[in-house]
Amino acid sequence: DARVTQTPRHKVTEMGQEVTMRCQPILGHNTVFWYRQTMMQGLELLAYFRNRAPLDDSGMPKDRFSAEMPDATLATLKIQPSEPRDSAVYFCASGPRGGAGELFFGEGSRLTVL
Amino acid sequence: KNEVEQSPQNLTAQEGEFITINCSYSVGISALHWLQQHPGGGIVSLFMLSSGKKKHGRLIATINIQEKHSSLHITASHPRDSAVYICAVRLGNTGNQFYFGTGTSLTVIP
Repeated sequence: DARVTQTPRHKVTEMGQEVTMRCQPILGHNTVFWYRQTMMQGLELLAYFRNRAPLDDSGMPKDRFSAEMPDATLATLKIQPSEPRDSAVYFCASGPRGGAGELFFGEGSRLTVL
Repeated sequence: KNEVEQSPQNLTAQEGEFITINCSYSVGISALHWLQQHPGGGIVSLFMLSSGKKKHGRLIATINIQEKHSSLHITASHPRDSAVYICAVRLGNTGNQFYFGTGTSLTVIP
């Protein structure tokens, strides 16, 4: 049963610390999205990759956030330094066909920054 | 201004009732997704629509492109349908930008 895998599921950290979240997309999917969900803003697109190349990261605060895809089986989202306002659930989603098809979401990484 | 509006925001129904959740959008789209999120859980894609109607079990999704409107129907609702239902539209220009509705929280009472 193919699924998108995210780690960690839960992370509590102190302000100023570096946080790295990882996503393993479904094998064969060539698009990967990073989303953030908060009570206030709902779901927001942070970054989008197609064939490992970043195509859109306009939703991401560039000064502290970075997203990469070192290979086709791993996408990472890094926050350095973390701030309390970064507390949210971060979802990774992957899809086939350049993102024109269904989206498959991971379980999410719940981040709390104290 | 929200590009995607959902109604109602909250909905409580008795088990067995027919449920409708609505989504209206104001932008040109290439596709519309209905997503389901259980409390504390991940997000599951229920439907992707670009026209017409799709059915999966007790769930039916319709879209009217001219009216920029979509509905998600649940027939014979069950407590396990309790979740947040989110409408998401994919913009028609580049296809990689999404706008999300704020979600409809559904509670089905036994």
